[in-house]
Amino acid sequence: GENVGLHLPTLSVQEGDNSIINCAYSNSASDYFIWYKQESGKGPQFIIDIRSNMDKRQGQRVTVLLNKTVKHLSLQIAATQPGDSAVYFCAAKPVGGATNKLIFGTGTLLAVQP
Amino acid sequence: DGGITQSPKYLFRKEGQNVTLSCEQNLNHDAMYWYRQDPGQGLRLIYYSQIVNDFQKGDIAEGYSVSREKKESFPLTVTSAQKNPTAFYLCASTGWTNSPLHFGNGTRLTVT
Repeated sequence: GENVGLHLPTLSVQEGDNSIINCAYSNSASDYFIWYKQESGKGPQFIIDIRSNMDKRQGQRVTVLLNKTVKHLSLQIAATQPGDSAVYFCAAKPVGGATNKLIFGTGTLLAVQP
Repeated sequence: DGGITQSPKYLFRKEGQNVTLSCEQNLNHDAMYWYRQDPGQGLRLIYYSQIVNDFQKGDIAEGYSVSREKKESFPLTVTSAQKNPTAFYLCASTGWTNSPLHFGNGTRLTVT
């Protein structure tokens, strides 16, 4: 089955630095990946997604990289700001599965130091 | 503003009582979902519905029930049969496969 995990439970960065949050997935047949940001007491907020036919996708200050060879996903946040402090988690969907088959990781807490 | 509204934000119940959590969306999405979030764990799917008047069990449906009488609404009932109901409950919706879930801001249920 799918197992989605994160390399570090907590990441502390200085304001203005770049942040990299990592995620590993176990099912090589996953074809769709999503990153979410969750602030304390709130629901997850969509950040960026990527399909398996891509290696990289960029948004505003964020980039997602997908390495299918090693089944690794990363989220890069440029010029990290205090407002970026939150829990970030990834989700992966197996090929042929509907959205109800999304498997969610446990999350990385990003702490931005001013 | 389109979105998903969950109410109430906090809910307290005594053990043995059923409780219903509300979820309403105005995104015109066909599919709606209920997840449970516990500390240190990923989101776990309770129930989902892909169309009105139809719903399916997720991975942890025992002790829960749902209904989908309207496209906009997908209420979740936590029954007294749920052995560990205290948790943060999240409702979500999506328009189609391979598109991101949109989440509400959750209901924190505490049962004592």
